[in-house]
Amino acid sequence: AQKVTQAQTEISVVEKEDVTLDCVYETRDTTYYLFWYKQPPSGELVFLIRRNSFDEQNEISGRYSWNFQKSTSSFNFTITASQVVDSAVYFCALSEGNTGNQFYFGTGTSLTVIP
Amino acid sequence: ETGVTQSPTHLIKTRGQQVTLRCSSQSGHNTVSWYQQALGQGPQFIFQYYREEENGRGNFPPRFSGLQFPNYSSELNVNALELDDSALYLCASLASRGAKPPYNEQFFGPGTRLTVL
Repeated sequence: AQKVTQAQTEISVVEKEDVTLDCVYETRDTTYYLFWYKQPPSGELVFLIRRNSFDEQNEISGRYSWNFQKSTSSFNFTITASQVVDSAVYFCALSEGNTGNQFYFGTGTSLTVIP
Repeated sequence: ETGVTQSPTHLIKTRGQQVTLRCSSQSGHNTVSWYQQALGQGPQFIFQYYREEENGRGNFPPRFSGLQFPNYSSELNVNALELDDSALYLCASLASRGAKPPYNEQFFGPGTRLTVL
């Protein structure tokens, strides 16, 4: 079974629209870490955020915000007022507390922002 | 820029050959992980090295092996290449206080695109 599910394969939005990327995870560990990465066409994964399982506070960083809900095992990512530069593939990842050396990545969501 | 470099950028090999991919981590980063990313997929964990010892392995056969050196560089070796080995190979480095989590962010390199014909 997939530990991280990103059900949205591709999303297209018009510039300045808001967009939410969904991430659902599965783990039996009580301690775990969740991440979002951005992968532009160049291929390099760019770190966006890390969340640990004990901190359910939502976070906002500029146009980016993250909604962590343990009750639904979700860690969704919202981009407000999207820009063309946001076009990339976004990955959600999970690292478990007991075997945290392995990051489990979802299959990614390809976001295209149309000018 | 993450300070992590990989070489070569692209590589073409034929089935059955062997390949060595290289990664240079940030200074002070004692942990390096390697991932395989097939087209349209998320990265899959191959293995991790901590202070030059293997520290965890994903579901990859023994023909995938690695080395980590004291100068923060590392290698991924793949023997007996198969067509399905065609992928983007990513290395990621981080500074770890030990072999166990929690981890801070991993810094990924730009990857090596391997094509097996």
